[in-house]
Amino acid sequence: AQRVTQPEKLLSVFKGAPVELKCNYSYSGSPELFWYVQYSRQRLQLLLRHISRESIKGFTADLNKGETSFHLKKPFAQEEDSAMYYCALTSGTYKYIFGTGTRLKVLA
Amino acid sequence: GAGVSQSPRYKVAKRGQDVALRCDPISGHVSLFWYQQALGQGPEFLTYFQNEAQLDKSGLPSDRFFAERPEGSVSTLKIQRTQQEDSAVYLCASSPLGGTQETQYFGPGTRLLVL
Repeated sequence: AQRVTQPEKLLSVFKGAPVELKCNYSYSGSPELFWYVQYSRQRLQLLLRHISRESIKGFTADLNKGETSFHLKKPFAQEEDSAMYYCALTSGTYKYIFGTGTRLKVLA
Repeated sequence: GAGVSQSPRYKVAKRGQDVALRCDPISGHVSLFWYQQALGQGPEFLTYFQNEAQLDKSGLPSDRFFAERPEGSVSTLKIQRTQQEDSAVYLCASSPLGGTQETQYFGPGTRLLVL
């Protein structure tokens, strides 16, 4: 069965520290992976997707098929990065499978 | 331009009442999705429309849930005889085409509380 696992419910880091939000997936084919973000009082929005290989707001994510991971990283956290982050997978269809989310708190 | 809008933003219902949740997708978007997000969970797929056709309703939890998009734009998610376990945020999303792996654009959600 397809599944996305985000093992950390809450991650607190200090401003300027590196951040890594973990995402592991289970799927036997070639998935497309996404990171969505929800800032306080805002709607869920796309942060980045694997296929575009972009760096958005300093965040990057590399698909590691061997470890079935798609961890989100940023070298220096900023206070405005505080938000809820969801990893999501599609398996060649329109259907998204979301993880349970990680709340990132960046402390001053 | 305007994003996806949903109404009402909050809804309190007594157990057993029927509710109707509305979604206005981005103009011209072919695909429309409904998700249910329980507290502390990620969004879970409910149903998918391509224009007015409901192509997938595999995520609807019971026959009390019904969705429609009669003219291929606005969609309504109806829940009959609401139960406490229906309490959740209901998210609507749209995407431009009917293709796979498209970016989905989400609305603000409707928070439903069933007492």
